[in-house]
Amino acid sequence: NAGVTQTPKFRVLKTGQSMTLLCAQDMNHEYMYWYRQDPGMGLRLIHYSVGEGTTAKGEVPDGYNVSRLKKQNFLLGLESAAPSQTSVYFCASSWGREGTQYFGPGTRLLVL
Amino acid sequence: TQLLEQSPQFLSIQEGENLTVYCNSSSVFSSLQWYRQEPGEGPVLLVTVVTGGEVKKLKRLTFQFGDARKDSSLHITAAQPGDTGLYLCAGFYGQNFVFGPGTRLSVLP
Repeated sequence: NAGVTQTPKFRVLKTGQSMTLLCAQDMNHEYMYWYRQDPGMGLRLIHYSVGEGTTAKGEVPDGYNVSRLKKQNFLLGLESAAPSQTSVYFCASSWGREGTQYFGPGTRLLVL
Repeated sequence: TQLLEQSPQFLSIQEGENLTVYCNSSSVFSSLQWYRQEPGEGPVLLVTVVTGGEVKKLKRLTFQFGDARKDSSLHITAAQPGDTGLYLCAGFYGQNFVFGPGTRLSVLP
């Protein structure tokens, strides 16, 4: 099992450009999450999904959109990137709401 | 202000020393998790505690959940260089886990 994978690993964008981050899990988990990690801030929840076809806002959703068309995939989109979105983005999945979260290796995004 | 505070923010110790890191909040959590994150990787779960006063041991690591379920501690006995990493606590609050800012531990050989 690959667990949770994320693509790309690293990306540089110019302000105003758009991009999509892809997360895939092969553990048949219902719950999937997108976090961003910034120095001194820990992990902050952007959006999450409790099952295929569902999405919900987390703590810091502004400037991001998500889609969960297939159970195994969770996409995070930035429509118009801003320097404030420079961060490391982590995807995670879990069996249940309070269960173990399995994290991907992260995507490092730099917005110039 | 963050829901969860962790202290110390940074800790550098010699191999063989003991240490304790703390995770504190004014809120009550139904469960609390500890994760360790190594550079360039995602966090990995160490333990989940759910009962007030609960103590769990994982080899040289001892985790305690406060009686009121508002705080937790992680004690490492005889630290080793392999314990180096960022230690994150996460409390279940509302509908999701909320993470603390982490304690960055460096164990020098």
